[in-house]
Amino acid sequence: TQLLEQSPQFLSIQEGENLTVYCNSSSVFSSLQWYRQEPGEGPVLLVTVVTGGEVKKLKRLTFQFGDARKDSSLHITAAQPGDTGLYLCAGPRGNWYGQNFVFGPGTRLSVLP
Amino acid sequence: GAVVSQHPSRVICKSGTSVKIECRSLDFQATTMFWYRQFPKQSLMLMATSNEGSKATYEQGVEKDKFLINHASLTLSTLTVTSAHPEDSSFYICSARDLLRDYNEQFFGPGTRLTVL
Repeated sequence: TQLLEQSPQFLSIQEGENLTVYCNSSSVFSSLQWYRQEPGEGPVLLVTVVTGGEVKKLKRLTFQFGDARKDSSLHITAAQPGDTGLYLCAGPRGNWYGQNFVFGPGTRLSVLP
Repeated sequence: GAVVSQHPSRVICKSGTSVKIECRSLDFQATTMFWYRQFPKQSLMLMATSNEGSKATYEQGVEKDKFLINHASLTLSTLTVTSAHPEDSSFYICSARDLLRDYNEQFFGPGTRLTVL
């Protein structure tokens, strides 16, 4: 069974600080996705990482996929209150047509002004 | 592109009644749609995978007869919660996958908040 763990579970920081959240598994994933979800809304895709060791940047967000494709990290530089939300990582499981996705438990981030 | 809508956004019903939730892909064809439920402060839990024109595949522990899924077209899937009970109250979210775009990605609807009294 492919499972994803995320840490920390909760994080509360001041505006302007940097932070890193992690997504880990004992299984290899062909790709991992990162989402941000705000209360009462559906998750919004931030990035998909596919290649082991890959680094992708989205403005102040930097995503890295582990060399062995078992883990990923999300680093936010100079966090802003608008970054507040639930950050979820997800990975595909199963073969191509029957594929679905497994989600980690999420990191709930609160950025205080 | 890749917009998914859900209707209704909120629904309150009495115990014992059935509720239908619609999930539509507005600007792409979704060969696969997924239904999730999310309890407060928790992550998404996959309920079922729905492929157009075939029966849905349910996750372990999800009752097929209680959560009826119909994916009759490439742009519409419906989830019907039958004989709803208060414990079915939750946030239901659908997502859709466009095989022509990237089978690794799914696009989420805004969710439906179901409250069963």
